[in-house]
Amino acid sequence: QVQLQESGPGLVKPSQTLSLTCTVSGGSISSGNYYWSWIRQHPGKGLEWIGYIYYSGRAYYNPSVKSRVTISFDTSKNQFSLKLSSVTAADTAVYYCASMHCSGGTCYFDYWGQGTLVTVSS
Amino acid sequence: DIQMTQSPSSLSASVGDRVTITCQASQDISNYLNWYQQKPGKAPKLLIYDASNLKTGVPSRFSGSGSGTDFTFTISSLQSEDIATYYCQQFANLPYTFGQGTKLGI
Repeated sequence: QVQLQESGPGLVKPSQTLSLTCTVSGGSISSGNYYWSWIRQHPGKGLEWIGYIYYSGRAYYNPSVKSRVTISFDTSKNQFSLKLSSVTAADTAVYYCASMHCSGGTCYFDYWGQGTLVTVSS
Repeated sequence: DIQMTQSPSSLSASVGDRVTITCQASQDISNYLNWYQQKPGKAPKLLIYDASNLKTGVPSRFSGSGSGTDFTFTISSLQSEDIATYYCQQFANLPYTFGQGTKLGI
């Protein structure tokens, strides 16, 4: 059973960089069937997919944040990370890390972290 | 981006009721659609993948159908533990997008 756990500051000042890490247990981040994703949920709102990284290092970002986001991984620690620069209050959200399983033409988010609230405020 | 529009945004029903939620895509997504359940303070949980396939371990009262642009999610007999918000999600094109959610209450 794969488990994911987010960690990082819960409070970030405007214009600074939001940094979160997701630690994966029960599975390898180097697995070819998974795309390691970040998804956020603004308070009381729906879900927004931020981007993913594949074990090859290929990443894809949502154009809504593409100019400010970087997703990377550390295979030695079985972790992947999110960096979002120049944050504003609009980036206040619960951030989830999730694994997207893709096989045979189908893809779905099957494992999720519990989510971490990041508030952008001075 | 592909826009996903769910209807209704909220719904009140009674235990034992049949509940139906619809999801419409702004363009043809074949059957590249998933359904998730989210309870307050929790992460979403996958229920249905590929529009109609029930994830292993999910109760059979949940079902999905549709293809192209129009999809339906059904709970055949609502249970109290089904109170949650439900989201559709397309994976036909990047960026992946979700519907705005349907909040189901009793």
